[in-house]
Amino acid sequence: EAGVAQSPRYKIIEKRQSVAFWCNPISGHATLYWYQQILGQGPKLLIQFQNNGVVDDSQLPKDRFSAERLKGVDSTLKIQPAKLEDSAVYLCASSLPTGSTEAFFGQGTRLTVV
Amino acid sequence: AQSVTQLGSHVSVSEGALVLLRCNYSSSVPPYLFWYVQYPNQGLQLLLKYTSAATLVKGINGFEAEFKKSETSFHLTKPSAHMSDAAEYFCAVSDQTGANNLFFGTGTRLTVIP
Repeated sequence: EAGVAQSPRYKIIEKRQSVAFWCNPISGHATLYWYQQILGQGPKLLIQFQNNGVVDDSQLPKDRFSAERLKGVDSTLKIQPAKLEDSAVYLCASSLPTGSTEAFFGQGTRLTVV
Repeated sequence: AQSVTQLGSHVSVSEGALVLLRCNYSSSVPPYLFWYVQYPNQGLQLLLKYTSAATLVKGINGFEAEFKKSETSFHLTKPSAHMSDAAEYFCAVSDQTGANNLFFGTGTRLTVIP
């Protein structure tokens, strides 16, 4: 079974530039998450999708971050414009839509903003 | 509101010694509890999960954890540490409403000394 795919693995940009990350979840997983993991901290949820609808985006800085999941499969997370404090690993995860099931994580995209 | 506290950001043990990583949770509703492991430059991998069945949960790689409601704890243990156990470990909590949003602790980095 293929896992959660993310690209790119690494990205370096200058502040005020824009960047986009892509995620392909496990086939059949209706729920998709984007987490931000700052160095030395645990992952923090940015946004949760159920199919192509947003379930929770309360922690997403909407002035600069946006995410979409067209057709309820792949998802894209965008940052525009980037700030230094956005340097982090962005993790995508997917799961079946029940509370007790495991969330499967991709390898993440490491973003460095200089 | 839900949260997790992991006591000790760094833990060092000798190879063959007992591993004990501490996790205390706060939840206003019955929780689901998880332990994830993260190796360098990798995503998170589920070690084990508590979903209101048996309070002693066995996971992969010889790890286990016990849910203690009276102590609001879910500590992770392994009788004998192996060099390959060196990694970052995250405790996480979600609720049982089906929202499946994971709240992570800040992580504990385990070092195994030969």
